[in-house]
Amino acid sequence: KQEVTQIPAALSVPEGENLVLNCSFTDSAIYNLQWFRQDPGKGLTSLLLIQSSQREQTSGRLNASLDKSSGRSTLYIAASQPGDSATYLCAVPPSYGQNFVFGPGTRLSVLP
Amino acid sequence: SQTIHQWPATLVQPVGSPLSLECTVEGTSNPNLYWYRQAAGRGLQLLFYSVGIGQISSEVPQNLSASRPQDRQFILSSKKLLLSDSGFYLCAWSVRLSEQFFGPGTRLTVL
Repeated sequence: KQEVTQIPAALSVPEGENLVLNCSFTDSAIYNLQWFRQDPGKGLTSLLLIQSSQREQTSGRLNASLDKSSGRSTLYIAASQPGDSATYLCAVPPSYGQNFVFGPGTRLSVLP
Repeated sequence: SQTIHQWPATLVQPVGSPLSLECTVEGTSNPNLYWYRQAAGRGLQLLFYSVGIGQISSEVPQNLSASRPQDRQFILSSKKLLLSDSGFYLCAWSVRLSEQFFGPGTRLTVL
């Protein structure tokens, strides 16, 4: 059964810092990995989707990497801003069935 | 482009009352549809998913049911709400197991 964990659970940094969020999964046979952002009281916003054949995906100040063999993905946020404050979740599709498996999330606070 | 709608945005209901939450998707055909619940301070819990009209799979035994009367419509229902049904309900769609997209959510409070 696929399990997804995220470290750290919470992170507080001053504005302008570069930071890394981690996502680990137990079954390396994944099709892709998706990173989301969730603001309080809102739905999840898709940030990046990395296909299993890719090692990196970039969007603006965000860069996500994927290492299937080690069961890890990282989300790198460059030059963090207070507007980046949110909970970040990663998710992978199942090895069988249709239900995606989500990590518990990392709550990020960027202080001005 | 694809759009996903959920309504209502907020709902306050008494214990024992019925529930109907609706989700519709635009701009895609035959999507996989999902209902999740997010309790306060907790992670996402998958409640139901559907791969086609009339096809519903339940992940968690509970007081809720789901229906998919049309290709792009997904409904979450309950005949009698419990206090434990309070939470943030999210609808999502995907094309098979590719990228998943979420709606804005419904905040349900059962009193």
